Amino acid sequence: NAGVMQNPRHLVRRRGQEARLRCSPMKGHSHVYWYRQLPEEGLKFMVYLQKENIIDESGMPKERFSAEFPKEGPSILRIQQVVRGDSAAYFCASLEQETQYFGPGTRLLVL
Amino acid sequence: GQQLNQSPQSMFIQEGEDVSMNCTSSSIFNTWLWYKQDPGEGPVLLIALYKAGELTSNGRLTAQFGITRKDSFLNISASIPSDVGIYFCAGLDYKLSFGAGTTVTVRA
Repeated sequence: NAGVMQNPRHLVRRRGQEARLRCSPMKGHSHVYWYRQLPEEGLKFMVYLQKENIIDESGMPKERFSAEFPKEGPSILRIQQVVRGDSAAYFCASLEQETQYFGPGTRLLVL
Repeated sequence: GQQLNQSPQSMFIQEGEDVSMNCTSSSIFNTWLWYKQDPGEGPVLLIALYKAGELTSNGRLTAQFGITRKDSFLNISASIPSDVGIYFCAGLDYKLSFGAGTTVTVRA
């Protein structure tokens, strides 16, 4: 995974709870991409962030989902009031030389 | 993102056989990438293609970037059991658009 870190690897939440997913890109990188993968499907783009800025959030649901990448610390994908349909694998990626490298993902299960 | 059409959806092959899969898009991409994903893991980059017409190899893997920049194929020669997994094509225009994947199962 070329140094992209994500945690937790697995997260279980009950409906209505909040989920926080963390991503640290490759060392020295200030751009992060988040993708969601539903079972048996390819990855779908959610949001592209630079440090302290959201560049493109066109793939992010309008409600309950938010993302940030503060000056210090990892990028956070936050899902409020989770529903069963939020169950998926969430991946972040770093960009290097016109190529994106992925972290191991967080598998969210909503009960 | 754009929708990429990847085929076949799945394939069962005998060990030692060659594998071929392809991707098409209605849009032009300047970069095509092929990834492999094992269960419970993130996608791992196999091959990156940056120029139309480019043919690139990585061990037993060979991929080509179509001349129209709207398609690409991936070949795996002499398949082995560890080739099992899901293969994804992706087009890059600062964000990635993925195909739905090709699931490869190898019979020993």
